[in-house]
Parts: sequence; C-alpha cells; structure tokens
Amino acid sequence: NAGVTQTPKFQVLKTGQSMTLQCAQDMNHEYMSWYRQDPGMGLRLIHYSVGAGITDQGEVPNGYNVSRSTTEDFPLRLLSAAPSQTSVYFCASRPRGLSNQPQHFGDGTRLSIL
Amino acid sequence: GENVEQHPSTLSVQEGDSAVIKCTYSDSASNYFPWYKQELGKRPQLIIDIRSNVGEKKDQRIAVTLNKTAKHFSLHITETQPEDSAVYFCAATSFQGAQKLVFGQGTRLTINP
Repeated sequence: NAGVTQTPKFQVLKTGQSMTLQCAQDMNHEYMSWYRQDPGMGLRLIHYSVGAGITDQGEVPNGYNVSRSTTEDFPLRLLSAAPSQTSVYFCASRPRGLSNQPQHFGDGTRLSIL
Repeated sequence: GENVEQHPSTLSVQEGDSAVIKCTYSDSASNYFPWYKQELGKRPQLIIDIRSNVGEKKDQRIAVTLNKTAKHFSLHITETQPEDSAVYFCAATSFQGAQKLVFGQGTRLTINP
C-alpha cells in the first residue's frame, strides 16, 4: 500500500492563478481531510469528507473548494491564489469511526504564492 | 466548536531529563486525544493517543494523562534522547458527529546533549 499520496510536493504560483492539489489513498478510508500548516498555528482544517459525495467545511475553508467523487481521491482546488494561501498543505485519511485507527497523513505540498 | 490550546510553544531540556507538554480543550463532548510528532520537513505521525474512558496511558518512555473534569491532557516524555527533538502537536475530537480533529498550536522540543 502506498498510503496517502499527495502531488505535487512543491508548487509556486502567481497571485490569481488557480490550481488543484491532488490527494489519493489506497486504504479504502471513508474519512479524508485537508489541513494547512503555518508557523505557530498548528494544523488547521480546511475541508473534510466522510465519504464519496459528501464534503463539509472546516475552520478555514475560504478560497478553497473540494469534491469527493470516489473513495480514493480528494482534490483541493485553489480558485484564485492569494499570498495568504502560502503554506504547507497536508491531506489525511482514516476509517470512519475512530476505533484504534490513527489518521494517516500524506507527505505534504509546499505551496508558495507570489 | 472545539478549541485546543497547547503550552509551551518551545521547550528545551537536557538529554536524560523529562519533558512535559500540556493542552486544554473546550468541548466537553471531545473523547479522543491523539499526540503527533513532526520532524522537520516530514509529515505528522501519531505517537500515542488516549480515550476519555481512561486517565493515563503509557508506551515505553511516553505517557499521556487526561483530566476530563479540568479538560486538560498532557504528554510526558522521560529519559529524553536527541531523537526526541521535534514539534509535538496535541489534538482533540469526538467519536460522534463529524469527528473533526482540532490541533493545538504545537510545541518545539529541543533536547540538548
């Protein structure tokens, strides 16, 4: 199993450009989420999904869209990139219902907006 | 919604000493509290977790304690080693509802040789 795979690993954008951060998992996890990590602020939840076709907003959803057409994929779209969106983005997944299953994180995407 | 506060933001200890990181949470419905370790440039990784039906859990040199009444939980690392240097995050969530995981701000732990 590859676990949670994020692409790209690094990206530089200009203000106003759009792009999609990809996230895929091969563990058949129902629950997937996107976080952004900024210095001194921990990980903040952007959007999450409890299963295919179901998404909801987290703490900081503005400027981002998500969709969940399959169990495996959960892409994050930046509609019009702004310098404030410069951050490290992590995708995570786990089975629905916590049980003894930890949340699995991808390696992250480091995004710079100029 | 849930709010998690974590202290201190930085912590420096001598190798072999103990380190303690504390977190408080606001939502009394939260019942699952994981701790993550993140090394520089890497993904966060779960190191220990605790559920609200227990007050303490230990795994070798790492232990977590939970006080539900006061709504705070702590990470204890004993006999610290240089490889313990990292950023540590606490988090809280509920088994019910949306099960959103809310993180604290992180503690940068440095172990001095």
